[in-house]
Amino acid sequence: NIVMTQSPKSMSISVGDRVTMNCKASQNVYNNIAWYQQKPGQSPKLLIYYASNRYNGVPDRFTGSGYGTDFTLTINSVQAEDAAFYYCQRIYNSPFTFGSGTKLEIK
Amino acid sequence: QVQLKESGPGLVQPSQTLSLTCTVSGLSLTSNSVSWIRQPPGKGLEWMGVIWSNGGTDYNSAIKSRLSISRDTSKSQVFLKMNSLQTEDTAMYFCASKGDYWGQGVMVTVSS
Repeated sequence: NIVMTQSPKSMSISVGDRVTMNCKASQNVYNNIAWYQQKPGQSPKLLIYYASNRYNGVPDRFTGSGYGTDFTLTINSVQAEDAAFYYCQRIYNSPFTFGSGTKLEIK
Repeated sequence: QVQLKESGPGLVQPSQTLSLTCTVSGLSLTSNSVSWIRQPPGKGLEWMGVIWSNGGTDYNSAIKSRLSISRDTSKSQVFLKMNSLQTEDTAMYFCASKGDYWGQGVMVTVSS
């Protein structure tokens, strides 16, 4: 079974900083990765699909990149409202495994 | 607009069967897949399984033996049934179509 490993588990960033978080697949998933943002008490929201495509209405400070087994979500000029958990997920082919998440805190 | 809404019992006794319904509007089940995802309190997301637009299903191998997903296209509903529930199955259960559309989730507690 495919395993999606996210790092770091948590990070604390100041407003205006640039943040990078990672997702590593245990096997080649091509570009079949999505990224989600989840805030407490809410359902996850789609940010990025097929590794680098920004979903409708997602601010352009969110950028996804990568191919194969290594993927990155970058947030340029982090805002206070970006405090949340971020999850990667394999898409297109099942199992649609999630990573364990990265918690982003704003200092 | 597209809406998904989960419904079901909030409390289930250990060893019993969980039955949940996802009611979908604004989206055709014969053209779109629907997944079930769960999230234990304070933990991450776990993909449980999917029912494809053609009615076929795939399941997470870790819970496959206990899980069944079905649908009624005439009512635009997707169903989850999971048996032999234990306390570790306590979680928020979500249905979602692809990644775009998610329900609000339903909290299920397994306790006697």
